[in-house]
Amino acid sequence: RKEVEQDPGPFNVPEGATVAFNCTYSNSASQSFFWYRQDCRKEPKLLMSVYSSGNEDGRFTAQLNRASQYISLLIRDSKLSDSATYLCVVNKAGGSQGNLIFGKGTKLSVKP
Amino acid sequence: EADIYQTPRYLVIGTGKKITLECSQTMGHDKMYWYQQDPGMELHLIHYSYGVNSTEKGDLSSESTVSRIRTEHFPLTLESARPSHTSQYLCASTPTTPAYGYTFGSGTRLTVV
Repeated sequence: RKEVEQDPGPFNVPEGATVAFNCTYSNSASQSFFWYRQDCRKEPKLLMSVYSSGNEDGRFTAQLNRASQYISLLIRDSKLSDSATYLCVVNKAGGSQGNLIFGKGTKLSVKP
Repeated sequence: EADIYQTPRYLVIGTGKKITLECSQTMGHDKMYWYQQDPGMELHLIHYSYGVNSTEKGDLSSESTVSRIRTEHFPLTLESARPSHTSQYLCASTPTTPAYGYTFGSGTRLTVV
């Protein structure tokens, strides 16, 4: 099983739609979780950390289910500018002093 | 904005040349990383460092080498560039605990002809 798994997409949605991305991770000892956004040919940028209680930042909501080892990102009222690849990121518990593991990413394309 | 800088942004170089990609951060972060990413593909960790004089190889085998003589500086060197080295190279850093996530530089897009 891959350490971090995401649906690669692409997700093609109209403006204003609500879209949800899912991610699973394999190491139950992982403690830090993030969603990153990467635009085409740019560097990844931190979108939001994911906390056990769930957290929201404007139109973006992140959820963590430790029992199922599952992370989600919900984007409401999609904008054209939300088009990007969204990377699920989890820390590598145990060795390597907690290096982060990046998923392959889910590509989102928001259409007018 | 991010206080981690990579130079050059773009580099086109001939086969067999030696190159050094620069990465510097002004945040005092202990941990620094180099990733390789081809267009539309996933990130691959090639090197990392937990502090001065500490370097480790990442998950993806790479012919490049790194050094960490100063906290703020983590250069990557290719002794003899080949077309297979054509890729984007991204540098990142984080404080001692990765609970804050990584901050990435803008990357160096390398083309070896």
